[in-house]
Amino acid sequence: DTGVSQNPRHKITKRGQNVTFRCDPISEHNRLYWYRQTLGQGPEFLTYFQNEAQLEKSRLLSDRFSAERPKGSFSTLEIQRTEQGDSAMYLCASSLGSGIQETQYFGPGTRLLVL
Amino acid sequence: QQPVQSPQAVILREGEDAVINCSSSKALYSVHWYRQKHGEAPVFLMILLKGGEQKGHEKISASFNEKKQQSSLYLTASQLSYSGTYFCGTDSGGSNYKLTFGKGTLLTVNP
Repeated sequence: DTGVSQNPRHKITKRGQNVTFRCDPISEHNRLYWYRQTLGQGPEFLTYFQNEAQLEKSRLLSDRFSAERPKGSFSTLEIQRTEQGDSAMYLCASSLGSGIQETQYFGPGTRLLVL
Repeated sequence: QQPVQSPQAVILREGEDAVINCSSSKALYSVHWYRQKHGEAPVFLMILLKGGEQKGHEKISASFNEKKQQSSLYLTASQLSYSGTYFCGTDSGGSNYKLTFGKGTLLTVNP
């Protein structure tokens, strides 16, 4: 299967701890996106990479959140000093990066629970 | 601004039809439709670009009325596999990457 993969699939942590999630996009996809989804809501845009460059960050992404895509391939999303309000599904998506309007393909997500 | 989807939920019997609407208060450059089953990733259905085009995917089709700033998803002769939550994602800024999703429409197809 060459779809978008995310690890871990589930993460339980205590408030105040740091967590890191990984996303591996579809091969040759230049664009990578992070979204957050809470119960009963659609995905909310967090940030976007074109190759290794982070081109936009949502206001939702506080200073405790940081994302990287060091070699333009996989990406990591780190949350420092987690809060209970950070509990959500974190989705990664990727797209080819060659068109004007592109299809974003989503990974299975990482479900975070902050106790 | 988040697009508004209607209805919030719909229950069908297998073989019945349904329409899901997605409306925005902003001008739309594109509308992206996804289906998500519980605990799974959103799965891409189709993308519509401004121009009022209609696209189809098996028994699922969609239209896009840019003047009304809305899109509709049509599911005909529904199958059990159509059950899930349908989301529309809209691009209002012409960024071609930043999608704003509605709250979703929960579709349940019963035998």
